[in-house]
Amino acid sequence: AAGVIQSPRHLIKEKRETATLKCYPIPRHDTVYWYQQGPGQDPQFLISFYEKMQSDKGSIPDRFSAQQFSDYHSELNMSSLELGDSALYFCASRLQGGSTEAFFGQGTRLTVV
Amino acid sequence: AQSVTQLDSHVSVSEGTPVLLRCNYSSSYSPSLFWYVQHPNKGLQLLLKYTSAATLVKGINGFEAEFKKSETSFHLTKPSAHMSDAAEYFCVVSARPYAGNNRKLIWGLGTSLAVNP
Repeated sequence: AAGVIQSPRHLIKEKRETATLKCYPIPRHDTVYWYQQGPGQDPQFLISFYEKMQSDKGSIPDRFSAQQFSDYHSELNMSSLELGDSALYFCASRLQGGSTEAFFGQGTRLTVV
Repeated sequence: AQSVTQLDSHVSVSEGTPVLLRCNYSSSYSPSLFWYVQHPNKGLQLLLKYTSAATLVKGINGFEAEFKKSETSFHLTKPSAHMSDAAEYFCVVSARPYAGNNRKLIWGLGTSLAVNP
């Protein structure tokens, strides 16, 4: 069965650079969530999209932006990277309907040096 | 408002003994409840979910959880711990916001389970 695909799996960037993380949800899922998980931390919700529109916003820095495209894939754009942005970034997809669970990708590990 | 409280940040058990990871929730609506597991340096995997059907839910790897509305709890249990169960466990509530069809995922802070030989 198809799962949530995230790319790249690993990314190393220097401070002040930009990074783009991609998420390809499970086919027919209409909702995408982005989470940031620092070392030893629980996942922190960043932002979500439902039917290509932003549906909820969490602790996403102003330096970050995201969007969901017509094919439902989503991209998280991160600019002016800081050392503290080093984390595991998860994407999850879900089919809205309340009882359905979110399926998570394997994550993108971003290291800022 | 909706919230999730995982009552223990760390739980340590011996291999072969029972596991109990506690989760309490608060929701103005009938919630859907999930337990996710995250092994070190791995992604998040769904263990089990409650969706207003049977109150006792069986999941993968021998885990189960019981939804108790009167206690607003959804504790995760396993009769006999295995070394491979050592991981971080997250209790998640899905609750309807005041408007729209989107349902937020509300996360507990996680419980780190250690299994000792």
